[in-house]
Amino acid sequence: GENVEQHPSTLSVQEGDSAVIKCTYSDSASNYFPWYKQELGKGPQLIIDIRSNVGEKKDQRIAVTLNKTAKHFSLHITETQPEDSAVYFCAAKQRAGTALIFGKGTTLSVSS
Amino acid sequence: DAMVIQNPRYQVTQFGKPVTLSCSQTLNHNVMYWYQQKSSQAPKLLFHYYDKDFNNEADTPDNFQSRRPNTSFCFLDIRSPGLGDAAMYLCATSNSGREGEQFFGPGTRLTVL
Repeated sequence: GENVEQHPSTLSVQEGDSAVIKCTYSDSASNYFPWYKQELGKGPQLIIDIRSNVGEKKDQRIAVTLNKTAKHFSLHITETQPEDSAVYFCAAKQRAGTALIFGKGTTLSVSS
Repeated sequence: DAMVIQNPRYQVTQFGKPVTLSCSQTLNHNVMYWYQQKSSQAPKLLFHYYDKDFNNEADTPDNFQSRRPNTSFCFLDIRSPGLGDAAMYLCATSNSGREGEQFFGPGTRLTVL
């Protein structure tokens, strides 16, 4: 089955710096890769996603890149702000009716 | 606003006392999921409904059951909660016509005494 590894597990940056979180997946059949942000005591919130027919997607300060050959994808946050502090999860999915397989999460801390 | 709603947000039960968590959605999505999330861990899928079809994950204990009486509502029943079942329980929905995107509710924090 699919296995998703996520690094780093914790990341501390200064406000205004960029943050990068990386994930690798094992199953080449996976074709959908979302990123979720989870604040303390809340449910995960979808912040950006990418499908396997696209190499990069950007939404304001956040971007996701996908390398299908290497089976890895990354989340990039530019100009980080304290409110970006949260746990970020990557995930991978194969097709309709199958489960999202989550990475173990990255705790991002942005200090002002 | 369309959303995924979970009630209650916090639930305290006693060891062995059955408990039911509820989820409702206004997104009209045909797929609903229940996840268990323990502290500092990723969400773990327990089961999901694809329309009325129930799909249980292989490692979900029999202690966990689910009901989906209609498109909008889904319930998680824990028949005999143990201390190890204390966790955040997350409901999520997706539209099979829009492959992949899942939207999560705020979760129910379950405490077992």
